[in-house]
Amino acid sequence: QVQLVQSGAEVKKPGASVKVSCKASGYTFTSYGISWVRQAPGQGLEWMGWISSNGITNYIQKFQGRVTMTADTSTSTAYMELRSLRSDDTAVYYCARGVYIDYWGQGTLVTVSS
Amino acid sequence: DIQMTQSPSSLSASVGDRVTITCRANQGISNYLGWYQQKPGKAPKSLIYGASNLHSGVPSKFSGSGSGTDFTLTISSLQPEDFATYYCQQYSTYPRTFGQGTKVEIK
Repeated sequence: QVQLVQSGAEVKKPGASVKVSCKASGYTFTSYGISWVRQAPGQGLEWMGWISSNGITNYIQKFQGRVTMTADTSTSTAYMELRSLRSDDTAVYYCARGVYIDYWGQGTLVTVSS
Repeated sequence: DIQMTQSPSSLSASVGDRVTITCRANQGISNYLGWYQQKPGKAPKSLIYGASNLHSGVPSKFSGSGSGTDFTLTISSLQPEDFATYYCQQYSTYPRTFGQGTKVEIK
């Protein structure tokens, strides 16, 4: 069965970086892209960007220059790194499979606090 | 960016009710629309893609329709497990955008 298993919760100070991983199993990793979606406390879903099956990335404008999405095909793992963290980056970060999302990771809580 | 607007933002309904949620795009997106269900503290669950196609394992009480700018998600007979927040998302163009969500609560 398809699974996306994300890394554990993180606590970071403002200005730091965080790198969230998303390990895929149960399907051919190179056949699907991965989206990253975040959800601030009590808020809705926000699409952050996407890495395609051939490694092409597309990021939402607000994160340009602060986010990098990568994929390691040897381990079927996608990564999302967010730099220069601010308190309003506190959120649950989800990875999700496909152009039209069919499977989601369990989410990773990133807390940014001094 | 394409703006997705859901209505209502919240609704109260009873078990057994038929519920309809609307999602409107501010420009045409053909049928590149998905619907997701999220329960508190849980990851979203994918319900529908291509505006009207159910993902594997999604019960047939859920249905979607629409094309262009106007879309609906219908739950034919609301059950206790259906009380949740529902989101639409367009994947016609970048950036992909979500609606603000519709919270379905128990009356």
